Amino acid sequence: GESVGLHLPTLSVQEGDNSIINCAYSNSASDYFIWYKQESGKGPQFIIDIRSNMDKRQGQRVTVLLNKTVKHLSLQIAATQPGDSAVYFCAEDSRTGTASKLTFGTGTRLQVTL
Amino acid sequence: NAGVMQNPRHLVRRRGQEARLRCSPMKGHSHVYWYRQLPEEGLKFMVYLQKENIIDESGMPKERFSAEFPKEGPSILRIQQVVRGDSAAYFCASSPRQGQQYFGPGTRLTVT
Repeated sequence: GESVGLHLPTLSVQEGDNSIINCAYSNSASDYFIWYKQESGKGPQFIIDIRSNMDKRQGQRVTVLLNKTVKHLSLQIAATQPGDSAVYFCAEDSRTGTASKLTFGTGTRLQVTL
Repeated sequence: NAGVMQNPRHLVRRRGQEARLRCSPMKGHSHVYWYRQLPEEGLKFMVYLQKENIIDESGMPKERFSAEFPKEGPSILRIQQVVRGDSAAYFCASSPRQGQQYFGPGTRLTVT
C-alpha cells in the first residue's frame, strides 16, 4: 500500500503487480512533462515524457496519463520488477521564451517486495 | 557516445573554501543545466547555460554562486566561501535543444 514516510512518500508493491505513482503539478501553462527514475547515488534517468496535447502515452511497461483539468500526472508500471525500486520524480517544463526549466515534484519511493 | 560527465563525484570542503564542480555535456549538446538536490527532496533548478551565455539563472543564489560554459571545455559551477548549507548533490544535465535533458551522475558536496 501507499504510506507517507518521514520524508518521501513510499509505495510498496509486490513483484509482478502493477504500480501507479501520482504527481500534481502547479503551472497550468506547462506544456511538457517528464517522469524520471533515480536510483541511490545516481542521477535521474529519463523514463517517459508527454506533451500537453496528449492525455496518454505508452512505453515499454510504462504508461503516463495526463489530466490537465486537475493538473495531475500519473506513471503506471506494469509487472513491477525488483529493478524498478527507486525514487520516481515527475517534472514539468515551464518554458519562458527560449529558456527551458524543469520543476521537479517531491518524488515517490517505490519499493518492490519479493 | 559517452553520457554527461561530472567531476569530482565527491568533494569535501571546509567552511570558507571554494568548490568547483565540472560538467562535460554529451557530445553535440550545447545546452547545460545545473540542479541542486538536498537529501529526500527533488531537484531544484539553478541555472541554464548555452555556450558562452547564461540564459536563465533565476534559481541561483545571488551571492557566492556562479556558473560558466566557455567556448572550449566543461561547464563550471563555482561556489565561493562555502557554508554547511551548501552541502548537497549537484547535478548537471545537457540537451541538444530544448526538451529532453540527460543527467550526469552528480557531485556530492560535503562542507565540514
